[in-house]
Amino acid sequence: SQTIHQWPATLVQPVGSPLSLECTVEGTSNPNLYWYRQAAGRGLQLLFYSVGIGQISSEVPQNLSASRPQDRQFILSSKKLLLSDSGFYLCAWSVPQGLSEKLFFGSGTQLSVL
Amino acid sequence: EDQVTQSPEALRLQEGESSSLNCSYTVSGLRGLFWYRQDPGKGPEFLFTLYSAGEEKEKERLKATLTKKESFLHITAPKPEDSATYLCGASGGSYIPTFGRGTSLIVHP
Repeated sequence: SQTIHQWPATLVQPVGSPLSLECTVEGTSNPNLYWYRQAAGRGLQLLFYSVGIGQISSEVPQNLSASRPQDRQFILSSKKLLLSDSGFYLCAWSVPQGLSEKLFFGSGTQLSVL
Repeated sequence: EDQVTQSPEALRLQEGESSSLNCSYTVSGLRGLFWYRQDPGKGPEFLFTLYSAGEEKEKERLKATLTKKESFLHITAPKPEDSATYLCGASGGSYIPTFGRGTSLIVHP
């Protein structure tokens, strides 16, 4: 069966510090991968998605970046965090079925920028 | 631009008190309507996908229905363990779902 791992679960970082969140998927090949952010009281905001190694699409211009160095690994990074980067970050995967993208989410990372 | 609006934002029920959550969507060429359950501090857990108007799906005390403009998540005789935030998402031409802000459900014993 497929599983998705996301870490760390909780992170407290000072403003201006770097960020690296990692996500890996097991049990499937060539998944589509996604990074979402969920702010308090807000919906899920799509940040990045990837359909293959090295292929990254950005949905929202910001100081975050994403990379996909391996087929089932997705990394979210920042060189300098802002207060507004605080939120709940979710990694997700899907298998393209040509109809619609049914997403499976990781357990999330709660990021607090102070 | 695809839009998904969920109502109410919050709902408090007594155990056994049935109710419905609403999800209104504006999507060009609906490909799928999704319902997820999210517990505090956790990632969303997939519940249902609906593809066409008139379709219905059930899981335990939950039943999801779909029309051309909205979807309903009916909760029959809820229990305290049904307390969670329920998210609705809809995908159209871009395949990737757009999500609403969710409905926070609290079921009191």
